Amino acid sequence: GAVVSQHPSRVICKSGTSVKIECRSLDFQATTMFWYRQFPKQSLMLMATSNEGSKATYEQGVEKDKFLINHASLTLSTLTVTSAHPEDSSFYICSAMTSVETQYFGPGTRLLVL
Amino acid sequence: RKEVEQDPGPFNVPEGATVAFNCTYSNSASQSFFWYRQDCRKEPKLLMSVYSSGNEDGRFTAQLNRASQYISLLIRDSKLSDSATYLCVVGTGRRALTFGSGTRLQVQP
Repeated sequence: GAVVSQHPSRVICKSGTSVKIECRSLDFQATTMFWYRQFPKQSLMLMATSNEGSKATYEQGVEKDKFLINHASLTLSTLTVTSAHPEDSSFYICSAMTSVETQYFGPGTRLLVL
Repeated sequence: RKEVEQDPGPFNVPEGATVAFNCTYSNSASQSFFWYRQDCRKEPKLLMSVYSSGNEDGRFTAQLNRASQYISLLIRDSKLSDSATYLCVVGTGRRALTFGSGTRLQVQP
C-alpha cells in the first residue's frame, strides 16, 4: 500500500510552546489529507480536513487558531499546535487520500505537554 | 447516538476460535466501509474494505447489509497475532472517515 510518514514520532514540550507535526505522502500525491487525534482508550476523532492550496476545514470544537494546518504541496501537510497545554497531549495521526479515495495513515505523533 | 457503534469488547478467545464483530452506522448516505486494525500505540492499518456482496480475505470475512446499516467481520482460526483492536470505519464520499470506538480482541494460547 501507499506510504505516509509523520515527523516527529514523539515529542515532549513545555506548556506554552508550539509544536509542528509534518505529514508526508511518500509515493503518491494527496490533494486531501486529514488530521485525527486519539486520546487513550478512545477512537480516532477527526480534527480537520486539509486540502492542498486552500484553507483547512475544521471539525466542530476544534480551534483553528490553536491547531494551524498548512497544506502547501501535494505531498505535505503540517499541523502546528500553538501554545500547547497538557490537555493537548495526545496521539496525532494524519492520513492521506489517494486518487481512488483510499486513506492511508501515518505512523502517528505522540505529543506530551508538560 | 454515535455515528458508528461497535461491540464494546474486549473479546478473549482461545487460539483457533472463530470470532465475530458487529458494527452499525447511522448515516444512510455512507458509501464506503472498512475494517481497520490498530495495534497498541500504533496507527490504524487497513484490514479490508467491505462490500455489499461480502468479501473474504483468507481467514477474514466481511459482510455489509445496507438495509440494516450493519457491518460484520468474522475471523476464523484465530492466531495470537490477531490480538489487536478492530475498528469499524465508514466513509462518505471524499470526506474523512468516521471511526467506531473499536473492539479489542485478545487471542490466548
